[in-house]
This record gives sequence, C-alpha cells and structure tokens, in this order.
Amino acid sequence: ETGVTQSPTHLIKTRGQQVTLRCSSQSGHNTVSWYQQALGQGPQFIFQYYREEENGRGNFPPRFSGLQFPNYSSELNVNALELDDSALYLCASSLLIGSTDTQYFGPGTRLTVL
Amino acid sequence: AQSVAQPEDQVNVAEGNPLTVKCTYSVSGNPYLFWYVQYPNRGLQFLLKYITGDNLVKGSYGFEAEFNKSQTSFHLKKPSALVSDSALYFCAVRDGNRDDKIIFGKGTRLHILP
Repeated sequence: ETGVTQSPTHLIKTRGQQVTLRCSSQSGHNTVSWYQQALGQGPQFIFQYYREEENGRGNFPPRFSGLQFPNYSSELNVNALELDDSALYLCASSLLIGSTDTQYFGPGTRLTVL
Repeated sequence: AQSVAQPEDQVNVAEGNPLTVKCTYSVSGNPYLFWYVQYPNRGLQFLLKYITGDNLVKGSYGFEAEFNKSQTSFHLKKPSALVSDSALYFCAVRDGNRDDKIIFGKGTRLHILP
C-alpha cells in the first residue's frame, strides 16, 4: 500500500450540493495533487498543492477548490455539483516538488451526483 | 502541449507469453515517463518511471519499459505474463519544464488468459 488514505470511500450527492473530499498523505510528503477519473478515462489533473499553496491547476472551473494542511492532510471541495462531476477522485502525494518525483495515489473516493 | 496516447483499449495475452502495452507521448521539454496499474476499486499503483539514463527501465512485479526518444514511445513489457497481471494500465508523462501536472493516457485493459 502507498500510505495515502482517502475518505469517504463512496459518496452520493444531488445536483447543486457541495461536497468535501479528504486525503491523508504519506508522512513527510509536502506535495499533494488531485485528479478526477471519469468512467473509462485516465485521471485528469485538477490541481496541486505544495506547502499549503496552490502550485498548478488543470482545466477545472473555480468551483473546484482545495486546501492543504500542515499535518499532511488535504481537502478537495466542489461547489454547485453537476451530473458530470460523477467520477472517482484520486489524491496523490509526493515527497518533493519536481518533475522527476513519483506521485503515490490513494484508493480514491467514488462520487455519484444524482 | 503534453499528451499521451495508448492506442490499444485492450490487450489479450496467454499466460506465460510475453506482453507489451504500447504508449507514445508528446511534450515540449524533457519527457519524464511513468507507468501505473489500477486494479478494480483501487487507486493507481506506481510500476516504474524513466527520468534519464538507461533506456530500459525495470520496475515492480517483473515489468520493464523501454524509452525510445526517436519514436517518442515508452512501451511496457514483461517477459512472461501472469493471470494476476490482468488490470488497467496507465502511461503518464510529465514535462521536464513543469513541476505540477502529470498527463495520463486513457488506459489499456490487459487480459491474461489462463
């Protein structure tokens, strides 16, 4: 196992609601990235946090936001949920920030929006 | 722009035979390449990466991958397939000029037939 945990495992919400997903990184990992994996697709980069600051963002609207905390935990918040937000959400942590560093993934949170 | 192509949605191989899962990429800077495997209802597990050096990279579970700069390819290989290798495999690339996002391919489902 990677030592990266996510909660909850599954979640069902209705359109327009807000959701918070949580991730606990490996101890000592200063970088966390979040990905959205729609059914039958590869993971899509949402954003990355390094030392509690956003370090990069993919093509996702501002209603996707995040936080990273000093205790190696982080959150992904999604406001005004849409049906297309239904997906597996993955967080990944890495020790350093840098293009050569390996990202280690958690098991994911399956979000269903009705 | 970064991109990854996995041309095969599915690959079927008989147990004991060699397997190859194909991947080609496009980046503007130096390519840093990764392979991950995903089992049902699990997150992504890191298999191997190419950063620099020897073009043949060895990874977990007997997998290896060959970096070919002229063909912009990074094919995953294993000399003798096991039924337990059946899973979804993702190739990913990071642009050496960036330290945030990894771009994933859409995945290749590998079926090892007993």
